[in-house]
Amino acid sequence: NAGVTQTPKFQVLKTGQSMTLQCAQDMNHNSMYWYRQDPGMGLRLIYYSASEGTTDKGEVPNGYNVSRLNKREFSLRLESAAPSQTSVYFCASSQGLTGETQYFGPGTRLLVL
Amino acid sequence: AQSVTQLDSQVPVFEEAPVELRCNYSSSVSVYLFWYVQYPNQGLQLLLKYLSGSTLVKGINGFEAEFNKSQTSFHLRKPSVHISDTAEYFCAVRYSSASKIIFGSGTRLSIRP
Repeated sequence: NAGVTQTPKFQVLKTGQSMTLQCAQDMNHNSMYWYRQDPGMGLRLIYYSASEGTTDKGEVPNGYNVSRLNKREFSLRLESAAPSQTSVYFCASSQGLTGETQYFGPGTRLLVL
Repeated sequence: AQSVTQLDSQVPVFEEAPVELRCNYSSSVSVYLFWYVQYPNQGLQLLLKYLSGSTLVKGINGFEAEFNKSQTSFHLRKPSVHISDTAEYFCAVRYSSASKIIFGSGTRLSIRP
């Protein structure tokens, strides 16, 4: 089992460019999440998907879109990148929402110039 | 508002000394509580969690935490730390009325030989 995988590992963008961060899990989990991690701010939830076919906004959704392509994959898209989106992005998955352990991917480091 | 607070952003300790990392959450009738650890350049992994039952929870790597409902706290402890415990530790809470987990801002544990 690979667990949760994320691509790419690193990315540099110019302001205004777009990109999609990919995430996949092989644990047959129902729920998936996208977080961003910034120094001193912990993890903040961007979007989550409680189950296949559903997505909901988290704490900081502005400037992002998501797609739950199937049960395995949950992608995060930046339509027009801004320097404020420079961060480390983590994808996670869990069997359900209630009291379930979340399993995290290794992260994507994004720099927007 | 629902929140979780980690008062200490950094905790330096000597190797083999005991450590306590503090976590407090805003009052609620029912909560699920988690501690995650993040080693350098990695994603987060679960240390332990409290869902119900015994208020003393034991986790991996010799860590334990105690749920104190009256003080709305879930402090993490280890009686003797090792260099390998150097990492950032995140407390997280899920309120039973919410579908999302809220992460604290993290505590960086640094171990001195």
